[in-house]
Amino acid sequence: QKEVEQNSGPLSVPEGAIASLNCTYSDRGSQSFFWYRQYSGKSPELIMSIYSNGDKEDGRFTAQLNKASQYVSLLIRDSQPSDSATYLCAVNRYSGGYQKVTFGTGTKLQVIP
Amino acid sequence: IAGITQAPTSQILAAGRRMTLRCTQDMRHNAMYWYRQDLGLGLRLIHYSNTAGTTGKGEVPDGYSVSRANTDDFPLTLASAVPSQTSVYFCASSERGVGNSPLHFGNGTRLTVT
Repeated sequence: QKEVEQNSGPLSVPEGAIASLNCTYSDRGSQSFFWYRQYSGKSPELIMSIYSNGDKEDGRFTAQLNKASQYVSLLIRDSQPSDSATYLCAVNRYSGGYQKVTFGTGTKLQVIP
Repeated sequence: IAGITQAPTSQILAAGRRMTLRCTQDMRHNAMYWYRQDLGLGLRLIHYSNTAGTTGKGEVPDGYSVSRANTDDFPLTLASAVPSQTSVYFCASSERGVGNSPLHFGNGTRLTVT
């Protein structure tokens, strides 16, 4: 079982729709959770951090965390073509003397105009 | 603009050659990291440094070495490159090496070992 699992996609949604991206993780000791956006050929860019159960909203983005189910999700409202990218889920735990951040392999999102 | 600078942007390297990838940050972050990104495998940690003067091994350290002489610089050296080290390399930093600080990434170095 991978430590952080994401559906690789592609996930295709029409412009203006809600895109829902999901992530599960295996380490129950995980402390913080991040979503990164990565355009093709570019570096990952942080878009959301979430540390406690529940929802966290920032503009069109909402991150949801359920530690009991070991599940993190990212909702993108009013999806735009510029949202087309690969979204990486990252899970953090302080372990073995360092901040261990484990990444999923990403979900590719395509927003269709 | 504050951030992380990596050099070179890309490089083609003959197997067996030595190569140093450079990384400099101006955010005064304590912790720095080197990741490699490969298709289907995602981002994997090579080495990390929680503070100047200290380094540690990540999940895929073999064939790589790092140093952290000061806060800003964290070079990654391939002593004798092999084709399996063909990858995109990202340097990252975080405010602290512990706790919940998110990572900030440089623009990456695309390395091809022939």
